[in-house]
Amino acid sequence: GIQVEQSPPDLILQEGANSTLRCNFSDSVNNLQWFHQNPWGQLINLFYIPSGTKQNGRLSATTVATERYSLLYISSSQTTDSGVYFCAVEETSGSRLTFGEGTQLTVNP
Amino acid sequence: DGGITQSPKYLFRKEGQNVTLSCEQNLNHDAMYWYRQDPGQGLRLIYYSQIVNDFQKGDIAEGYSVSREKKESFPLTVTSAQKNPTAFYLCASSRYSGNTIYFGEGSWLTVV
Repeated sequence: GIQVEQSPPDLILQEGANSTLRCNFSDSVNNLQWFHQNPWGQLINLFYIPSGTKQNGRLSATTVATERYSLLYISSSQTTDSGVYFCAVEETSGSRLTFGEGTQLTVNP
Repeated sequence: DGGITQSPKYLFRKEGQNVTLSCEQNLNHDAMYWYRQDPGQGLRLIYYSQIVNDFQKGDIAEGYSVSREKKESFPLTVTSAQKNPTAFYLCASSRYSGNTIYFGEGSWLTVV
């Protein structure tokens, strides 16, 4: 099956800093989604982004499908941004999402 | 409010017992999914259903069973055949397969 690798595995920031999270995948995909999991376990869908760039407030994402990677940008980070960020991809051959291992983000005040 | 409701939030199971986790959605979504998450790990797909009365095994289906008798409901049974069931279980749904996916709040299962 498809392989999904996220980097870095852990990231510690001071409030106000910017960051870039990366997601590499090993094969062509139908779609790619980014999620944020808060400390209580709730997963929130951030972006549905099979290609191109999208922005939502301080967050933006870019997927370059031909090069098999996606980037999630967080600007002016806040303590509430802490948690685990996952990317997930749907293979062209299937109808289910495969998740990466996530990036654990800690934003300190 | 529209959304996905999982229950119970916390569940303790004795070894050898079957338990059923409930998942209900009122989003009128066709596709529903069950994922398992172990501490510090990503999510692994257990089962998914694209339409009522149909479901497919995911990557780790052994020791689990599901049913999809109604569009809004997709219960997961963790059987005694699942040797290491302690985990966080997440139910999700999407309008159709391949669309944006939304998650419930999850259920913590602990074997005692």
